[in-house]
Amino acid sequence: EVLLTQSPATLSLSPGERATLSCRASQSISSYVAWYQQKPGQAPRLLIYDTAKRATGIPARFSGSGSGTDFTLTISNLEPEDFAVYYCQQRSSWPLFGPGTKVDIK
Amino acid sequence: QVQLVESGGGLVKPGGSLRLSCAASGFTFSDYYMSWIRQAPGKGLEWVSYISNSDTKYFADSVRGRFTISRDNAKNSLYLEMNSLRAEDTAMYYCARGTWFGEFYFDYWGQGTLVTVSS
Repeated sequence: EVLLTQSPATLSLSPGERATLSCRASQSISSYVAWYQQKPGQAPRLLIYDTAKRATGIPARFSGSGSGTDFTLTISNLEPEDFAVYYCQQRSSWPLFGPGTKVDIK
Repeated sequence: QVQLVESGGGLVKPGGSLRLSCAASGFTFSDYYMSWIRQAPGKGLEWVSYISNSDTKYFADSVRGRFTISRDNAKNSLYLEMNSLRAEDTAMYYCARGTWFGEFYFDYWGQGTLVTVSS
């Protein structure tokens, strides 16, 4: 059974800074990783799929990378609306979400 | 535009049953895979169940044997029948559409319906 961990649990940054979020799988999941953004009281929004492909309408400041067991979501130049919780998700087997990283305002 | 609207949540006693519905619009519902995903209060996301456009069904281990998923393409609706409910089933339940590039990626989500299991 694949397990996903995300780090850090919380990332405190200022607008304009770069955010680097990590997602690690307990075994190789190829490139089958997605990232979602969730704001309080809202449903999640798909940002990235297949490790590095941006979903429709997602700004270019969001980018994904990685392979195998280690994956990264990078948000360059944080905008005020980017402060949220981010979940990674794998689909190499049943869908499984990581525990999330909260990006909050420093 | 794509819309998913869940309904049917509420307060139910342990051991009770509930039926959730999800009304879809803005896309050809019958073409898409659909899933239910839940989120316990203050917690992360947990995939619950999936139904393909040809009625293949999958369930998470935590709900298998207690929950049933179904769809009515004529009504553009998705359902989740929940039986033998437990306190740990308390969560916001989202219906979500699978993408054309992977049935287990989710590109549209409803706003959710809250299920509370408590005596």
